[in-house]
Amino acid sequence: RKEVEQDPGPFNVPEGATVAFNCTYSNSASQSFFWYRQDCRKEPKLLMSVYSSGNEDGRFTAQLNRASQYISLLIRDSKLSDSATYLCAATRGGADGLTFGKGTHLIIQP
Amino acid sequence: EPEVTQTPSHQVTQMGQEVILRCVPISNHLYFYWYRQILGQKVEFLVSFYNNEISEKSEIFDDQFSVERPDGSNFTLKIRSTKLEDSAMYFCASSRGRRPEAFFGQGTRLTVV
Repeated sequence: RKEVEQDPGPFNVPEGATVAFNCTYSNSASQSFFWYRQDCRKEPKLLMSVYSSGNEDGRFTAQLNRASQYISLLIRDSKLSDSATYLCAATRGGADGLTFGKGTHLIIQP
Repeated sequence: EPEVTQTPSHQVTQMGQEVILRCVPISNHLYFYWYRQILGQKVEFLVSFYNNEISEKSEIFDDQFSVERPDGSNFTLKIRSTKLEDSAMYFCASSRGRRPEAFFGQGTRLTVV
């Protein structure tokens, strides 16, 4: 099972700022990609799927670059409640489980 | 909103004992998964289950582990003879299949003493 790599951080960001994370994956057979959010000692919660064309959900924008095998997440106008660990995940789809990165820890400061 | 539910939320067991972790996946989902997360480490895939059989399993999922769907709603993970290093958070997840987004239960914290 090949790897997904993320910068663990922590990223300390003032409230209202824009922050971006990257994630790289090594399995070129991966077909689907996701960002999950994980709060301390809680389950991963799906934040958004990542599509080749890029996708946006409110303050969150995700991009996929298949040629360079990386995924990005941009958070605009960050809020205190965005403080969490953000997990990047990849899968070949179907019954193939998710391969997660170690996560990037984000701290939004007032 | 439908959700994956897991029981118990916390289980303490003695080394060498058998444990069964239980999950109720989202009702119209077809793929079921178990993951584990050792404290401070990443979420790791254990096994996937589809059409009443194991589809894929990781190196972690050795002979001491087994999964079962004993009825139409429950999905269980059994650890036959627990070791100290099995202490972790165990997450169940399910997905619809056609759409690969997986949704996670709140987890069972397993502590082996």
